[in-house]
Amino acid sequence: QKEVEQNSGPLSVPEGAIASLNCTYSDRVSQSFFWYRQYSGKSPELIMSIYSNGDKEDGRFTAQLNKASQYVSLLIRDSQPSDSATYLCAVNLDGGYQKVTFGTGTKLQVIP
Amino acid sequence: SQTIHQWPATLVQPVGSPLSLECTVEGTSNPNLYWYRQAAGRGLQLLFYSVGIGQISSEVPQNLSASRPQDRQFILSSKKLLLSDSGFYLCAWSEGGQNIQYFGAGTRLSVL
Repeated sequence: QKEVEQNSGPLSVPEGAIASLNCTYSDRVSQSFFWYRQYSGKSPELIMSIYSNGDKEDGRFTAQLNKASQYVSLLIRDSQPSDSATYLCAVNLDGGYQKVTFGTGTKLQVIP
Repeated sequence: SQTIHQWPATLVQPVGSPLSLECTVEGTSNPNLYWYRQAAGRGLQLLFYSVGIGQISSEVPQNLSASRPQDRQFILSSKKLLLSDSGFYLCAWSEGGQNIQYFGAGTRLSVL
């Protein structure tokens, strides 16, 4: 069964620390990987996309992709209380351009 | 720039009543359009997607249906709502040939 898996958490980190969120996926043909942030009661918003192995940095966020091991991770440096949200991983499991599959999300709590 | 509109924001409906949720996108042509449902504390479940007018792909068999009468309009319908239809309904769009999806604000549906 094609899946995207995330630890549901909650992951608690102190303010200023690095938060590390992980996601594994089932299909080796996957080509596109995304991280979304969803605040409680709100819709998901895109924060990072990554398509190639390695790291991609955008401000305090770094996405890491390892296709051989089939995982993608998101690092949040200098975590702030405003980063407290659920982080959703999304992958195009079939390698196509029509749809992606979302993980169930990891809830992050940044403690002041 | 592109914007996505989804309404209403909140809806309370009795069991057995009909449903119509509408989503429109501005600032782009021939987008891919999606309907998701998110049950409380759960991940995003893809219900329907469309790559063009009149083209609807159903991901999960249930008492819901979708239609795309115009290029940038996507409608989710039901003839008779069930209690299990309660949830957070999200419309999303992407450019054709790309996987990045952008979400509307969502409709919180309570079936009582």
